Amino acid sequence: KAGVTQTPRYLIKTRGQQVTLSCSPISGHRSVSWYQQTPGQGLQFLFEYFSETQRNKGNFPGRFSGRQFSNSRSEMNVSTLELGDSALYLCASSLAGTGEEELFFGSGTQLSVL
Amino acid sequence: AQKITQTQPGMFVQEKEAVTLDCTYDTSDPSYGLFWYKQPSSGEMIFLIYQGSYDQQNATEGRYSLNFQKARKSANLVISASQLGDSAMYFCAMRGKSRYNTNAGKSTFGDGTTLTVKP
Repeated sequence: KAGVTQTPRYLIKTRGQQVTLSCSPISGHRSVSWYQQTPGQGLQFLFEYFSETQRNKGNFPGRFSGRQFSNSRSEMNVSTLELGDSALYLCASSLAGTGEEELFFGSGTQLSVL
Repeated sequence: AQKITQTQPGMFVQEKEAVTLDCTYDTSDPSYGLFWYKQPSSGEMIFLIYQGSYDQQNATEGRYSLNFQKARKSANLVISASQLGDSAMYFCAMRGKSRYNTNAGKSTFGDGTTLTVKP
């Protein structure tokens, strides 16, 4: 069974640009969540999608958005990039996103904003 | 709101010895799950162990065990017989458990503990 796939692995952008990150969950998993990881802030929850609906959202500005497609694949978009958006963005999937399910993580997308 | 506190930024342990990584939590959810994940230098997060808030027994998975003390709101990870490959960052996390709980799809993570196993 293929794991969670995130593309691209690395990204370099400049301030003001926008970026789209992609996540393909494990087959059969319907919940996809996104996390931002930085050395100073640790792992911060961005949002969670289940069956194409955003079910939960973290405390991030509206520049951060996402969506989920009918095949459960998810994309995350960051508009008007700022230097502080430089981080490792992790995607995780689980079957139904319930509290007893562990998360399966992708390898992440390392975003550098110059 | 959910909060996870890991008070040990870094820990050292001798190979083959046991080590305990501390985790305390706070939540208003009546039912929740507690998790530990390992993140090696490669960056990928790996699930280690799960404990449900109503589970009567402490969870164990091979060399990993979770010392769950509900009244103290602590969920410490114990790694027995440490190996060099255990050197990594370890995160404690929690999720609300009810399907109708607004925290159900959200995992809250602690700041992590960097474990270094010495040969």
